[in-house]
Amino acid sequence: KQEVTQIPAALSVPEGENLVLNCSFTDSAIYNLQWFRQDPGKGLTSLLLIQSSQREQTSGRLNASLDKSSGRSTLYIAASQPGDSATYLCAVKDKTDKLIFGTGTRLQVFP
Amino acid sequence: GAVVSQHPSRVICKSGTSVKIECRSLDFQATTMFWYRQFPKQSLMLMATSNEGSKATYEQGVEKDKFLINHASLTLSTLTVTSAHPEDSSFYICSARDGEGNQPQHFGDGTRLSIL
Repeated sequence: KQEVTQIPAALSVPEGENLVLNCSFTDSAIYNLQWFRQDPGKGLTSLLLIQSSQREQTSGRLNASLDKSSGRSTLYIAASQPGDSATYLCAVKDKTDKLIFGTGTRLQVFP
Repeated sequence: GAVVSQHPSRVICKSGTSVKIECRSLDFQATTMFWYRQFPKQSLMLMATSNEGSKATYEQGVEKDKFLINHASLTLSTLTVTSAHPEDSSFYICSARDGEGNQPQHFGDGTRLSIL
């Protein structure tokens, strides 16, 4: 059974810092991995999607990497801003075509 | 971009009431829709998957008679929580996808359900 773990569970940093959020999964047989942002009481906004054949994806200040063989992905946020404060979720699409979500990292960026 | 509208955003009602939540894809055809449940500070748990015109496929432990799902058109799916009780209070989120598995899922803004 696929399990997705995110570390750290919570993170509080001053504005301007570069951040790394970690995601690990137990079964490397995935189709893709996706990073989402969730604001309090809201739905999910997709940030980056990495297909299983890809190593990384970039969008603006965000960079996500995927090492499928070791079951790991990282989300790198450059020059963090208070507006980046949210919960970040990673999810893997497994062979049953379902998204399996991690428990998230709650990020707070203070001015 | 692809937009999924979920309504209502918040419901507060008495125990025993049935509650219907709508999920609409506004600018694309949602061949597949997904319903998730999220408890506070926990991740999303898939409840069921529905394909347009077919019966929903429920995850293990999810009561299909309790959570009725209808996906009658390519743009609309509904989740009805029947005879809701306080333990059904949660955040429910839908998502929609156009096409095959490698296409991204687009999420609604969720519905906060509170049963008194």
